[in-house]
Order: sequence, then C-alpha cells, then structure tokens
Amino acid sequence: GNSVTQMEGPVTLSEEAFLTINCTYTATGYPSLFWYVQYPGEGLQLLLKATKADDKGSNKGFEATYRKETTSFHLEKGSVQVSDSAVYFCALSTDSWGKLQFGAGTQVVVTP
Amino acid sequence: DAGVIQSPRHEVTEMGQEVTLRCKPISGHDYLFWYRQTMMRGLELLIYFNNNVPIDDSGMPEDRFSAKMPNASFSTLKIQPSEPRDSAVYFCASGSSAYNEQFFGPGTRLTVL
Repeated sequence: GNSVTQMEGPVTLSEEAFLTINCTYTATGYPSLFWYVQYPGEGLQLLLKATKADDKGSNKGFEATYRKETTSFHLEKGSVQVSDSAVYFCALSTDSWGKLQFGAGTQVVVTP
Repeated sequence: DAGVIQSPRHEVTEMGQEVTLRCKPISGHDYLFWYRQTMMRGLELLIYFNNNVPIDDSGMPEDRFSAKMPNASFSTLKIQPSEPRDSAVYFCASGSSAYNEQFFGPGTRLTVL
C-alpha cells in the first residue's frame, strides 16, 4: 500500500536558519505529492505541491522537488522565521482525486 | 469566501452520549472529507463524499460512526454512543475536481469523559 515517512520532530532551530524536513514515500503508480502546514489551533493548509517527477513546488519561501529516483519530496526553506513554527505534513495522492495519505507530521519550532 | 465552517469548535460530552459534528463546505466544491487527528494515530481519513454521495468509508472506525451529506452545503459526522477513545480533533475538508487541493476547516476538538 501507499505510505509516507517523515523525519520525526520536533525540529528546533533559530531564526534565519536553514530548514530541511525529509519526506520519502512508497506508492503504486505516479503519485502527486504535497506539503501541508498546520499552525497551532488551526486546520491544515496546502503549502505546495508537485504532480510529476522533477517538478518543484514553491510557496512562501519553501521549496520541494519531486524526486522519483529517490522517492522523496524534501521540504526546504533558506531562512526561517518565528512565524514558520508549525507542524508540517507530507502527503501523497494516487487517485485522480480523492484520498490523501499523510505522513505523521513534523513539528518545527523556530526561536528568536 | 468564509472557508470551510465547522461546528461546534469544542465539544465535551460524557461516555455513551450521542455527538454530532457539523460541516459546511466551501460553496461550489464537490468533494467533502472527514478526518480525525490524534497524537497516537496522526491524521486519518474517515470518509469522503463526491456530489453528496459517500465514495469511501473504509476509514470509519466502527458502526458507532456515521456520516451524512444531505445536500451540497452540509454534512454531519455522528458518533453514537461516544467513548473516551473517540476524543480527538475532527476536521472537515472540501475540494473541487477542478483542481487537486483540499481546504480544511478549523476542526472540532471532541473530549469524551
């Protein structure tokens, strides 16, 4: 079956540091890949997505590249802010529409 | 647009009571999803609807859980009878077949004592 594996948190770093959250997946077919972010007390929001190999999704300074050869979709940001403190979820979908398979989530804490 | 609306935001009830969670999806969206989030199990898809019809309810944990979508602007998730292990945050999300994205509501935090 499909699965998503993320690095465990919490990840604690200082403002302006470089952030990487690893995500690897197992899937049949050619999945679409997503990163969602959940701020405290809120629902999930789509951060970025990629639908085919070598696509790069980007938003709000975050980037992730769909790597089919390594079945990975690592999230990166060059300079984090305190406001980036949140839980980040990697997810995949193999349906044309429908189910999202989420990873366990990675909590990120950015300190001033 | 107001986004996905869920009510109540918080619910505290006693074991054995019936609980009804409500969701209003974004107007024009044709998909609706119910999720449950716990520390132990993470984010789980319970059921989803397309054009008000349940498509996949394989994530519904047991017969105590039921979901309905009587029209395009309203859905309910009911737990009867509730148990302490049902305590979780329940999210509703909606989406459109026009683009592959789900929009989540703020969630309902359910506590069953």
